[in-house]
Amino acid sequence: AQSVTQLGSHVSVSEGALVLLRCNYSSSVPPYLFWYVQYPNQGLQLLLKYTSAATLVKGINGFEAEFKKSETSFHLTKPSAHMSDAAEYFCAARGGSNYKLTFGKGTLLTVNP
Amino acid sequence: DAGVIQSPRHEVTEMGQEVTLRCKPISGHDYLFWYRQTMMRGLELLIYFNNNVPIDDSGMPEDRFSAKMPNASFSTLKIQPSEPRDSAVYFCASRSSRGNTGELFFGEGSRLTVL
Repeated sequence: AQSVTQLGSHVSVSEGALVLLRCNYSSSVPPYLFWYVQYPNQGLQLLLKYTSAATLVKGINGFEAEFKKSETSFHLTKPSAHMSDAAEYFCAARGGSNYKLTFGKGTLLTVNP
Repeated sequence: DAGVIQSPRHEVTEMGQEVTLRCKPISGHDYLFWYRQTMMRGLELLIYFNNNVPIDDSGMPEDRFSAKMPNASFSTLKIQPSEPRDSAVYFCASRSSRGNTGELFFGEGSRLTVL
């Protein structure tokens, strides 16, 4: 069965600092991997996705993530945090022909001025 | 393009009442998913449909929950009778089987409070 683990339910950074949100997955098949962002009182929006092409994936708002098969990881990074990045971030995985997305429990990102 | 549309955005009801949540997926999408989000359990998949047919309802918590998709442009999630522990945000999401990346498009959610 697919599982997604996000390390750290809450990450706090200063404005301008590096953002690193961690995600590990378990899958018996090559996965499709996603990062979603949720702003308060809104639905989830896709940030970026890995679909077995380039291992470094660039998304919206300056975010990127690197797929590392050896580490079963798909960590999300942004070189310089902005106040508007404050939100909850979800990592998700889908394996092979399984059409269900499995989500991690989310990481709340706080950006301090 | 219109996204996934959910209604109502907010619902406050009393225990024992029937609740119906509605969803209009993106036109042309053949998969529809219902998720529930709570602080304690995060995002949980309740049920999903393919071409209006329920494929997996193993996440539906109890018989009090039911979901239907009478046509490609409309789905409902019903709770009868409702209980306080059903309080949550319910999301509908849709996707197309074309492209095969599995990207879901989410509605803005229906926040349910059961008193």
